[in-house]
Amino acid sequence: DVKVTQSSRYLVKRTGEKVFLECVQDMDHENMFWYRQDPGLGLRLIYFSYDVKMKEKGDIPEGYSVSREKKERFSLILESASTNQTSMYLCASRSPREGYNSPLHFGNGTRLTVT
Amino acid sequence: RKEVEQDPGPFNVPEGATVAFNCTYSNSASQSFFWYRQDCRKEPKLLMSVYSSGNEDGRFTAQLNRASQYISLLIRDSKLSDSATYLCVPLVGDKLIFGTGTRLQVFP
Repeated sequence: DVKVTQSSRYLVKRTGEKVFLECVQDMDHENMFWYRQDPGLGLRLIYFSYDVKMKEKGDIPEGYSVSREKKERFSLILESASTNQTSMYLCASRSPREGYNSPLHFGNGTRLTVT
Repeated sequence: RKEVEQDPGPFNVPEGATVAFNCTYSNSASQSFFWYRQDCRKEPKLLMSVYSSGNEDGRFTAQLNRASQYISLLIRDSKLSDSATYLCVPLVGDKLIFGTGTRLQVFP
């Protein structure tokens, strides 16, 4: 069974703080993703990574950066947290080697509150 | 036009009912499709992949109509535990595109 682990379930940070959200997967998946989910807006893609040291902007990258130094770990960084970044953050991984029907596997989410 | 459109619901149905959800997608290059379910304040979990010929998994049946660019999910004999939000998810390139989901509430 694929395991995607996010380091924190709940996080409270102050405006202006630098925030790191960590995600680790144990199935050697090439692709990793960061989404945020807000009521009425569904899941929106922030950044994704095809492989180590590769990253691409998703639909809403502003205010975020990412790091993928090792295949199993994909970090999301909020350089200077703002209140509009209060949200549920979901990490996911997938292996395109398994074919078109290989699904995304999600971590259990980090609920971030910025005060 | 949104990439994925779903009726947000809620669909309120009694136990034992049959309920169907539709979803339309805009990108004709979508290669494959999934249905995910998401419980309140939890992460989405894969319900089933959708194959071109349609497929069934127990009480759940998924259909794909590429010509009309829509996907459906049929749930038979609804259970209270089926109450959740159902997300329609096409794959475009290496990205899965999520709709906002359809909420189902099954009542006794």
